[in-house]
Amino acid sequence: DGGITQSPKYLFRKEGQNVTLSCEQNLNHDAMYWYRQDPGQGLRLIYYSQIVNDFQKGDIAEGYSVSREKKESFPLTVTSAQKNPTAFYLCASSTPLGNEQYFGPGTRLTVT
Amino acid sequence: AQSVTQLDSQVPVFEEAPVELRCNYSSSVSVYLFWYVQYPNQGLQLLLKYLSGSTLVKGINGFEAEFNKSQTSFHLRKPSVHISDTAEYFCAVRVINDYKLSFGAGTTVTVRA
Repeated sequence: DGGITQSPKYLFRKEGQNVTLSCEQNLNHDAMYWYRQDPGQGLRLIYYSQIVNDFQKGDIAEGYSVSREKKESFPLTVTSAQKNPTAFYLCASSTPLGNEQYFGPGTRLTVT
Repeated sequence: AQSVTQLDSQVPVFEEAPVELRCNYSSSVSVYLFWYVQYPNQGLQLLLKYLSGSTLVKGINGFEAEFNKSQTSFHLRKPSVHISDTAEYFCAVRVINDYKLSFGAGTTVTVRA
């Protein structure tokens, strides 16, 4: 089955620690995205990548970093510089300028 | 830049009743429009999309939406809801030839027996 996997589903970290969220897709899509979801705010774009070894900041990139070394993988690191990291994180992918984005199941990060 | 406003944050509805979720957008250029559904603690699933052509778009699970360019709206409707339609619904817009999707804040639909 083709799709997007995100692991783990739930993640707990102490304040001040960096944490990396995994996103893997086997849809052969060139473009991948990371969104953050907070209650009542919809989804906000953190980073996106149109092709391997290239990525761009989205609307709320501060405190986050990404890499795109392989077509199928787009990990997101939440650094200690992110002031409010507790949120639901969603990864998505699409074909270049694809008409729709396909979403993974999400990772819920709790930082205390 | 484009933006999306979902006019209702919560919509309670009885089973088998109709429902309408309102979405307005603003953009200075042509856009594509989407409706996604999210069940609790899950990712988003595409319900339907408007790219061009007929302004009435039919999607999965009996949903449909109508694109109204003059009113810059893309309202979602279902004539008869089921308990299983309880979820959060997101309207989204993308400028043609751009990668970025802009989402509304979401509408929570709660279907009661």
